Amino acid sequence: DGGITQSPKYLFRKEGQNVTLSCEQNLNHDAMYWYRQDPGQGLRLIYYSQIVNDFQKGDIAEGYSVSREKKESFPLTVTSAQKNPTAFYLCASSIYGRVMNTEAFFGQGTRLTVV
Amino acid sequence: AQSVTQLGSHVSVSEGALVLLRCNYSSSVPPYLFWYVQYPNQGLQLLLKYTSAATLVKGINGFEAEFKKSETSFHLTKPSAHMSDAAEYFCAVSETSGTYKYIFGTGTRLKVLA
Repeated sequence: DGGITQSPKYLFRKEGQNVTLSCEQNLNHDAMYWYRQDPGQGLRLIYYSQIVNDFQKGDIAEGYSVSREKKESFPLTVTSAQKNPTAFYLCASSIYGRVMNTEAFFGQGTRLTVV
Repeated sequence: AQSVTQLGSHVSVSEGALVLLRCNYSSSVPPYLFWYVQYPNQGLQLLLKYTSAATLVKGINGFEAEFKKSETSFHLTKPSAHMSDAAEYFCAVSETSGTYKYIFGTGTRLKVLA
């Protein structure tokens, strides 16, 4: 079945550690996105990529980094510079990078907790 | 920049009653609008989308939304609520002004009372 797979589902991080969240899609979509979800704040865009080997900062990119070396993969690293990383992270993809009358498809999310 | 506003962070309805979730958009160009549903600890699932083909859009699970340009609204409705409709609902707009990204509202949590 085609879809977006995020792993792990739950992740615990110690203070000062970097962690990487995985996002893989087999939909052959050009564009991929990372959102952060906090209660009452909706979804806020961290990074997005319209095409392989290119990505742009979203609204809350500080303390995060990404790479897009393959079309199907868009990993997100939460660095120690992110002061409040505890949140639910959602990865999404859409078929085209520039035509926006198509919807985004979402993974099941990763819940990151700082311990 | 485009944006969406969802009025009411929490809405409660009785089972069998009308569901109305409000979304207003801000856009200088004809928008592409979406409604998503999210169940606890899960990703978002598309309910329906407006792409200018028809102003009344029917989606999954009996939901529909009407695009009203004069009111800059895209409210989500369902004639009769079911217990399984309890979830969080997000309105979104796709930005087409060069940055090509989706912008989400803050969400409305729907509670269905027995």
